[in-house]
Amino acid sequence: DAKTTQPNSMESNEEEPVHLPCNHSTISGTDYIHWYRQLPSQGPEYVIHGLTSNVNNRMASLAIAEDRKSSTLILHRATLRDAAVYYCILRGAQKLVFGQGTRLTINP
Amino acid sequence: NAGVTQTPKFRILKIGQSMTLQCTQDMNHNYMYWYRQDPGMGLKLIYYSVGAGITDKGEVPNGYNVSRSTTEDFPLRLELAAPSQTSVYFCASSYSLTGAFFGQGTRLTVV
Repeated sequence: DAKTTQPNSMESNEEEPVHLPCNHSTISGTDYIHWYRQLPSQGPEYVIHGLTSNVNNRMASLAIAEDRKSSTLILHRATLRDAAVYYCILRGAQKLVFGQGTRLTINP
Repeated sequence: NAGVTQTPKFRILKIGQSMTLQCTQDMNHNYMYWYRQDPGMGLKLIYYSVGAGITDKGEVPNGYNVSRSTTEDFPLRLELAAPSQTSVYFCASSYSLTGAFFGQGTRLTVV
């Protein structure tokens, strides 16, 4: 499975946008980029996924670099409820393997 | 929609006992997964299945067994429970490579 690299932690302020980066320089042409998050004491939650084009849904936006070697998850207006560990995963095979993720702290 | 349902939510086992963690999904998803998450750590894939009758090992399969006789159900069997299997177990399902949906977890303690 191709690997992803994310910062261990990030901090942001409530009601401000948050940009969570992910590097995946060994991505293959058929790998989808998935993002999940895990709120404290809960199971992981699917956020968004994409292949080549930028994607938007009610939770977030996913911006994918033209060479697909990096991507950014964008939370447009962070709330305290967005404090979680965010996982960026490449999904090309049948397995779904999680890395360490980025722990996002939101300051009031 | 119920989504992915795991039972039980909590369980205490004695060393050497066996148990089955149940997972069922009502979304007609073909892929299903089992993970464990130790305190303060990330998720580790135990087993996964891409359809009824097909299962494969993940990152940490030792001490566990699975079966997938139906699309809906993917039970995880622990034989001879050990303290190292104390963890929170999550089941998930997806339609092929689209987003996966997770259950609320089973908190297992082996004493």
